[in-house]
Amino acid sequence: EVQLVESGGGLVQPGGSLRLSCAASGFTFSSYEMNWVRQAPGKGLEWVSYISSSGSTIYYADSVKGRFTISRDNAKNSLYLQMNSLRAEDTAVYYCARVVGYCSGGSCYRGWFDPWGQGTLVTVSS
Amino acid sequence: EIVMTQSPATLSVSPGERATLSCRASQSVSSNLAWYQQKPGQAPRLLIYGASTRATGIPARFSGSGSGTEFTLTISSLQSEDFAVYYCQQYNNWPPVTFGGGTKVEIK
Repeated sequence: EVQLVESGGGLVQPGGSLRLSCAASGFTFSSYEMNWVRQAPGKGLEWVSYISSSGSTIYYADSVKGRFTISRDNAKNSLYLQMNSLRAEDTAVYYCARVVGYCSGGSCYRGWFDPWGQGTLVTVSS
Repeated sequence: EIVMTQSPATLSVSPGERATLSCRASQSVSSNLAWYQQKPGQAPRLLIYGASTRATGIPARFSGSGSGTEFTLTISSLQSEDFAVYYCQQYNNWPPVTFGGGTKVEIK
């Protein structure tokens, strides 16, 4: 069974740091691109960051650029999100999600997200 | 950045009735659109990709249509387990990936 399990969430003070982890199983982790997506309480989904299968290509949302760092360890089947300089507006459930690629017209592209982990709650408050 | 707009924000439907949800993109995303279902306390679940292809295990009562900037998710006959929030997502042009604000389907 394909599974993603996040951990590392918790309560942190503004300006603090936290490192989230996502453990993957049931598929060849090193072959897949991955993302972090967050959801503030009662709000919608916000994409946070992307990392390619090898880790060589990384993207961030403007809202976290310069503060968050995505990484992966393919030998450990794990994805990480290092969050520094945390703000109250970073309070959210953080999900890891696998990218499903697709090919069209001889080229292949990044596609939709499936599956998603169950999420881990990060609360930034004093 | 492509902005995704969903309507209505809340849809009140009786069990057994049809539900029609809309998603509009600020510029063309071709057919590169996905729909997700999210129930309270759960992660989003993929329903539809490629605007109209059902994901594995998704019942036939869920259907997607549209291309370019206008998309629709139809639930033909609502079951009790279908009351949830639904999100559209474009993957035609990213980063950033963008999601709509969601439509909550509630019991009438």
